[in-house]
Amino acid sequence: QQKVQQSPESLSVPEGGMASLNCTSSDRNFQYFWWYRQHSGEGPKALMSIFSDGDKKEGRFTAHLNKASLHVSLHIRDSQPSDSALYFCAASEDAQGLTFGLGTRVSVFP
Amino acid sequence: DMKVTQMPRYLIKRMGENVLLECGQDMSHETMYWYRQDPGLGLQLIYISYDVDSNSEGDIPKGYRVSRKKREHFSLILDSAKTNQTSVYFCASSLYRGRDNQAPLFGEGTRLSVL
Repeated sequence: QQKVQQSPESLSVPEGGMASLNCTSSDRNFQYFWWYRQHSGEGPKALMSIFSDGDKKEGRFTAHLNKASLHVSLHIRDSQPSDSALYFCAASEDAQGLTFGLGTRVSVFP
Repeated sequence: DMKVTQMPRYLIKRMGENVLLECGQDMSHETMYWYRQDPGLGLQLIYISYDVDSNSEGDIPKGYRVSRKKREHFSLILDSAKTNQTSVYFCASSLYRGRDNQAPLFGEGTRLSVL
């Protein structure tokens, strides 16, 4: 069973709209969460981390963590064509070895 | 400029040949990783290295071995490559700060085809 599950698998968002991505972990040992973004042909790049319950905002990106339900979300405000990419949720017990979800593919259309 | 460098970027090998993938970083990061990425399977951890000669198996170590003799360099070795090892391999590194660990920084990947 996948320890980190992401939904939806894919998402189409109009330019300027809001994209919402979800991630749930089945392993209660996971305490540290990250969101990564990967453009085609490139390596994954870290967007932001979240380690405490609540919201964390960085520019147009807001992450939310609920440790009780092991649920993490990422919201992208004012989506741009450059936001079209594969987004990964990653989790870890010890903030070192990361376990990745399968990803959500986001497409931003004009 | 912080960067993880992977060599080569593209590689074609025949089944049974030995494969060496190399990774370097100049940030003195203690921790380094090897992942592989396959469609429908996401990124899977092969090995993690906590420092020189301090390596641990990840989730899918079978068929792979690693070598870390210098902090800045981490190699992935496939002895007698198999066709199911065709994949994109990513190296990553991170600076250990306990709970305040930064997110691992990934390289651009090596695309390996085993024919």
